[in-house]
Amino acid sequence: DSGVTQTPKHLITATGQRVTLRCSPRSGDLSVYWYQQSLDQGLQFLIQYYNGEERAKGNILERFSAQQFPDLHSELNLSSLELGDSALYFCASSRGGEAFFGQGTRLTVV
Amino acid sequence: GQQLNQSPQSMFIQEGEDVSMNCTSSSIFNTWLWYKQDPGEGPVLLIALYKAGELTSNGRLTAQFGITRKDSFLNISASIPSDVGIYFCAYTGGSARQLTFGSGTQLTVLP
Repeated sequence: DSGVTQTPKHLITATGQRVTLRCSPRSGDLSVYWYQQSLDQGLQFLIQYYNGEERAKGNILERFSAQQFPDLHSELNLSSLELGDSALYFCASSRGGEAFFGQGTRLTVV
Repeated sequence: GQQLNQSPQSMFIQEGEDVSMNCTSSSIFNTWLWYKQDPGEGPVLLIALYKAGELTSNGRLTAQFGITRKDSFLNISASIPSDVGIYFCAYTGGSARQLTFGSGTQLTVLP
């Protein structure tokens, strides 16, 4: 158990819809990272938050956004979903060193 | 980020055999990381390498940071069924020290 909790574990939704993925980092970790894993693109960095502030953006679509709350949990919001957004979405947290990954949310867009 | 070329893409080996996989890049890195992803799980850090030429072991796993700083390999000795999974090389970079992953090596261990 990495100590990083992601919910839900699985999500099935229709094209055009909006979903929210939730991540609770390890206790004490201020950094939260979001990654997307798909068959064609592999594991890609999306966005990072540190203590409530956005710090870096990777290959994140404009339809996607994230935030980190005062209690340090983070949410990734995916809107106007397309079939190609089907993927595993991982959250990772760190306190400056090693990043620990959650079990991921498997999103299926139908 | 810079692209990592990881090979092989997949491997099928017999239990007890040794296996080797590697990563190369056209750029110089200061860190090489090796992760394993079990089915249904997130990646877990196996070994971190910080110096050119560094050779580090973690049980039956051994990884080396290439002298040119553009490559790294991971060896697994005496493979067992629980070694099954996807192995990724990665480096940290950028303002957020985010991870950039290779494409992964899918390892299957046959009994």
